[in-house]
Amino acid sequence: AAGVIQSPRHLIKEKRETATLKCYPIPRHDTVYWYQQGPGQDPQFLISFYEKMQSDKGSIPDRFSAQQFSDYHSELNMSSLELGDSALYFCASSQRQGKRADTQYFGPGTRLTVL
Amino acid sequence: SQQGEEDPQALSIQEGENATMNCSYKTSINNLQWYRQNSGRGLVHLILIRSNEREKHSGRLRVTLDTSKKSSSLLITASRAADTASYFCATMNSGYSTLTFGKGTMLLVSP
Repeated sequence: AAGVIQSPRHLIKEKRETATLKCYPIPRHDTVYWYQQGPGQDPQFLISFYEKMQSDKGSIPDRFSAQQFSDYHSELNMSSLELGDSALYFCASSQRQGKRADTQYFGPGTRLTVL
Repeated sequence: SQQGEEDPQALSIQEGENATMNCSYKTSINNLQWYRQNSGRGLVHLILIRSNEREKHSGRLRVTLDTSKKSSSLLITASRAADTASYFCATMNSGYSTLTFGKGTMLLVSP
């Protein structure tokens, strides 16, 4: 079965640079979520999109932005990178049936290292 | 603030033993889910228990939910070395839109 695809899998950037992470949800899934997991930490919800509109916002820094495109893939744009942005970034997708979206399916993550 | 707090933070057992992990949360939930993560890799969904359920089984996994105490437990029976991983509980908010993860329990199963 198709899973959530994230690219790139690994990314190394310098401080103050920008980075773009991509997420391709499972086919027919209409909702995408982004999570950030720092070293030794639990995943923290950043932002989500439903039918290309922002759905919920968590602890996403103002330096970050995201969007969902017409083909339902999503991109997380990160600017003015800081050392503390080094983390594993997960994308998850789900299919909302009405308002219910019980299970989120996670991608393998993108490991971002900021030097 | 953290929704789920897990206990213990780390657990070391021998193969064949049972492993029990606990999770507590603070607000009302629609469901609670358990995920597994191998050493900095992806999150694998293990099991979901709804707020109106008290116990659920899936293979060697048994999950309980006590909404009055706002707590859940995950039991892995007859553990195997391959069960070595971090286990996270996550609660789904009332809007079915976001998951809030707990700190996780690192389980080490020795052969």
